[in-house]
Amino acid sequence: AQKVTQAQTEISVVEKEDVTLDCVYETRDTTYYLFWYKQPPSGELVFLIRRNSFDEQNEISGRYSWNFQKSTSSFNFTITASQVVDSAVYFCALGRRPNTGNQFYFGTGTSLTVIP
Amino acid sequence: NAGVTQTPKFRILKIGQSMTLQCTQDMNHNYMYWYRQDPGMGLKLIYYSVGAGITDKGEVPNGYNVSRSTTEDFPLRLLSAAPSQTSVYFCASSYLGRTEAFFGQGTRLTVV
Repeated sequence: AQKVTQAQTEISVVEKEDVTLDCVYETRDTTYYLFWYKQPPSGELVFLIRRNSFDEQNEISGRYSWNFQKSTSSFNFTITASQVVDSAVYFCALGRRPNTGNQFYFGTGTSLTVIP
Repeated sequence: NAGVTQTPKFRILKIGQSMTLQCTQDMNHNYMYWYRQDPGMGLKLIYYSVGAGITDKGEVPNGYNVSRSTTEDFPLRLLSAAPSQTSVYFCASSYLGRTEAFFGQGTRLTVV
């Protein structure tokens, strides 16, 4: 069975602090895909990143970085020097290979509040 | 491109009423999904479709119905509205599971 766990329900940090959002996944698929989405207070869901299971390279995009470790089934998201605009709910998701029915499994989300 | 379009954006229903939430995508995606998001909660899958004519239940299908007659459209029907169906509904589509899902803007539904 597929499962995504985001154990941190809510996190508060002071502006300019670094923060890491945890994501742990479960799957028996050998090929799978991992995603992060941002849901700002306005409510829309914004795609941030996708990683393939066969590519464990970490990725950095500006203040955002992602650490993918297959050994621990984790795909953690770090925001460096947080800003108030980073306040949002962040969802981690697992995608499956084609022809396996439901394609996406979402975690329950982590609500991040950045305090000015 | 419009992406995924949901209508309406807001709706208030009385208990027992029925309604259809519309969802259209113009990206020629195979997969389409309906999620609900209760206040302060994550996304729960209601129904999904892997292509025209094929639908399947998700985690919370009771009280809903769907159809997929075309690749573009995936309407969600509430059969008899109940207060427990007060939620924000998101439609999404993806080409496959290896590509990201694109979400509509959401429909905020209140049942009174």
